[in-house]
Amino acid sequence: DQQVKQNSPSLSVQEGRISILNCDYTNSMFDYFLWYKKYPAEGPTFLISISSIKDKNEDGRFTVFLNKSAKHLSLHIVPSQPGDSAVYFCAATFISNFGNEKLTFGTGTRLTIIP
Amino acid sequence: EPEVTQTPSHQVTQMGQEVILRCVPISNHLYFYWYRQILGQKVEFLVSFYNNEISEKSEIFDDQFSVERPDGSNFTLKIRSTKLEDSAMYFCASKTRTGGTDTQYFGPGTRLTVL
Repeated sequence: DQQVKQNSPSLSVQEGRISILNCDYTNSMFDYFLWYKKYPAEGPTFLISISSIKDKNEDGRFTVFLNKSAKHLSLHIVPSQPGDSAVYFCAATFISNFGNEKLTFGTGTRLTIIP
Repeated sequence: EPEVTQTPSHQVTQMGQEVILRCVPISNHLYFYWYRQILGQKVEFLVSFYNNEISEKSEIFDDQFSVERPDGSNFTLKIRSTKLEDSAMYFCASKTRTGGTDTQYFGPGTRLTVL
């Protein structure tokens, strides 16, 4: 049951260049999407999110793009820095008034920034 | 900055033994979650908890699992009789309010090893 997919298990990018991480989802009920970053032996750290009513959200070096018709989102990191080396997880959820929205995660992409 | 804490960081137990994993969510948060990540796999939702009761649970969360908020600060996950396949990283998360636009913040995790 892979409702959220990250097809690239790993990605290497030169320092200073743009890193683009991709995520696809199959469940059209998802209406809120998040990116988390995870270092070894630590919990996921929230990076950026986007609601389905938007197609872009930007926060500093991080921008998330959402293409609802393609059920695709991407995370752009510009410029990439060595500290960005981590595993990046895409997550999706439904917004509800009950507040108990669980997150459905992708399998993650390991990003390595080459100095 | 407030953060979710979890203890212990690593728990080793014999198959069939009971374990209790502890979490202290961020103090003004209302919604609490447990997730787990088996080595090499994706982060999976286990259970959500609000207003002293379970809001939702996954198929993984069978009768061997239980959650409790015994006081105003702790949130625990108990596994009554551990199995080898329960070996995983267990992450606690918390969130402040309903509406879906508030982020789930994760703790550093407890690595559970069942021998």
